[in-house]
This record gives sequence, structure tokens and C-alpha cells, in this order.
Amino acid sequence: GESVGLHLPTLSVQEGDNSIINCAYSNSASDYFIWYKQESGKGPQFIIDIRSNMDKRQGQRVTVLLNKTVKHLSLQIAATQPGDSAVYFCAENKDGNKLVFGAGTILRVKS
Amino acid sequence: NAGVTQTPKFQVLKTGQSMTLQCAQDMNHEYMSWYRQDPGMGLRLIHYSVGAGITDQGEVPNGYNVSRSTTEDFPLRLLSAAPSQTSVYFCASSYRGRENGYTFGSGTRLTVV
Repeated sequence: GESVGLHLPTLSVQEGDNSIINCAYSNSASDYFIWYKQESGKGPQFIIDIRSNMDKRQGQRVTVLLNKTVKHLSLQIAATQPGDSAVYFCAENKDGNKLVFGAGTILRVKS
Repeated sequence: NAGVTQTPKFQVLKTGQSMTLQCAQDMNHEYMSWYRQDPGMGLRLIHYSVGAGITDQGEVPNGYNVSRSTTEDFPLRLLSAAPSQTSVYFCASSYRGRENGYTFGSGTRLTVV
């Protein structure tokens, strides 16, 4: 069946270091992927997205990499800040607006 | 521009009671969806709508009803609440083209006792 999963449930990084959050997906038909950030008590917040015809997309301090060969997605956060502490979800979309979410990775930033 | 507004923020129900979770968006988005989030898990799709008058089931639709009479509103109804429906519920909306992902509301925390 369709599933999106994460390799690491918790990631602790030092402030100023770069963070890499990984995600594996199983549905090769998915054509759109999104990373969300969720802070405690809030709804998910869009970070960055990428379509399946791209390998890399950059935003402000964030980069998403897509490796379709191994069905792997990653989110890189440069110069991680305390405000980046949150749960990060990857999600895949195959058709319409059906998003399939992974379980999430907790990012903890140590000052 | 308020985005996606969910009410109430918190609710406690007794088993068997019914209630409606409200969701409204002012961005003229065609797509609207309801998700539930359980501890330690990602969001699971309950129901979704691609436009006014059109709804469809997601992964976990049992025990929930929806309707979409207007573009702006997408209420979620619990017909007979069960403890298994204790969760945080999120409403989301997007344009048809899915650009910039989906905008989520701040959630409704529901407890069924």
C-alpha cells in the first residue's frame, strides 16, 4: 500500500549546525512532495515542496532533495536556529488533494 | 485574510453525543480536507472535497460525515462520538493546482469520554 515513512524519529543538533531530515516513500506514482513544520499546539505549516520532475529545490535556509531511484526525500536546514525546533513531516501526493503523511521527525536544537 | 479558521479549539464529548467541527477558509480554495492526528502519528485523511457539492472519503472516514454547500465552509460531523475518535482534527485547503501545498487550520482538540 501507499506509505511514507521517516528514518529517524528524533534529531538533535547544535545551534548553527546544518540539519538533515530524511523521508522514505513507497508510492512511485507520487508526483508531488511537501515538507511541513508543526510547532506544539499548532497546525502544520508549509515549508517547501517539490515535483517529481525535479531533483532539488531551494528556499530560504531550506533545501529539499528528491531521489526517485531510491524513493527518498530529504529536508536540509542550514544554520539551524532554536526556532526551528518542531516536528517535521514529509507528505506525498499522487492525485487530487490526497496527502499521505509520514509519522514525523522531532528536531531539537541545542543552544 | 484569516486563512483557515477552525472552531471550536477544544471540545469534550460523552460517548454517543454528536457534534459538528466547523472549518471556513477565505482564500477561495477549491480543495478542502479534514485530517486527524493521533499521538506519535502523522495526519490521516478523513474526508475531502474538490469543490462545492462534491465530497469523497479518505483513509479513515468511518464515523464522520461531511458536506460542502459553499466554497468557504467544510463542516465535519461526528454522528455518535466514540473514545476512538479522541484526536486532534485539522482542516486544510488548497488551490486546485496544489501550488505551495495546503494551508492548515490551528486544529480542534477533541476528547470523547
